[in-house]
Amino acid sequence: GQQLNQSPQSMFIQEGEDVSMNCTSSSIFNTWLWYKQDPGEGPVLLIALYKAGELTSNGRLTAQFGITRKDSFLNISASIPSDVGIYFCAGQDNTNAGKSTFGDGTTLTVKP
Amino acid sequence: DTGVSQDPRHKITKRGQNVTFRCDPISEHNRLYWYRQTLGQGPEFLTYFQNEAQLEKSRLLSDRFSAERPKGSFSTLEIQRTEQGDSAMYLCASVPAILAYNEQFFGPGTRLTVL
Repeated sequence: GQQLNQSPQSMFIQEGEDVSMNCTSSSIFNTWLWYKQDPGEGPVLLIALYKAGELTSNGRLTAQFGITRKDSFLNISASIPSDVGIYFCAGQDNTNAGKSTFGDGTTLTVKP
Repeated sequence: DTGVSQDPRHKITKRGQNVTFRCDPISEHNRLYWYRQTLGQGPEFLTYFQNEAQLEKSRLLSDRFSAERPKGSFSTLEIQRTEQGDSAMYLCASVPAILAYNEQFFGPGTRLTVL
């Protein structure tokens, strides 16, 4: 089945630093999604990407849909303490099911 | 609050007991998904509904699991004869009819602990 490799598994950074994380897949996806999850809560959608090569921003967040359609990355600029959480990538294939395959997350810790 | 809601938020049960969770999607969202998430991992797809029809079930959904969405609005997920391996967060997500199934809105989840 489809597998997503998300890296790094965890990051410890200083407030104000930029962050980059990525996902690679063994198969092609038509849609890439990036979520943030806080402890005890469900994932919250940050950015959705629909076309290969697409670069999309949401405030300090920027994500790109890889040209091969097998990878995506998320950048966070000028991190702040409230960026702490677990970031998940998710891919959707070209079926009509719309179900998502998730990576195992990147845990971000921001030190003030 | 007009988001996806799930009830209960936490459930502790003894092995062998049956449990039922409820998900109320965002109003007029016609697709509803169930995922399971264990500690340190991302959510894993279990099943989904379009209106009241259950269109796909994952291999993860054993015979002890059953999901329903009788009127195309709220959904229930029942686990019979719970096992310790069923301990996880059960997440529900819904998608509006207008969007192309991509942007799923998740509820807060139900945390199940099987003792």
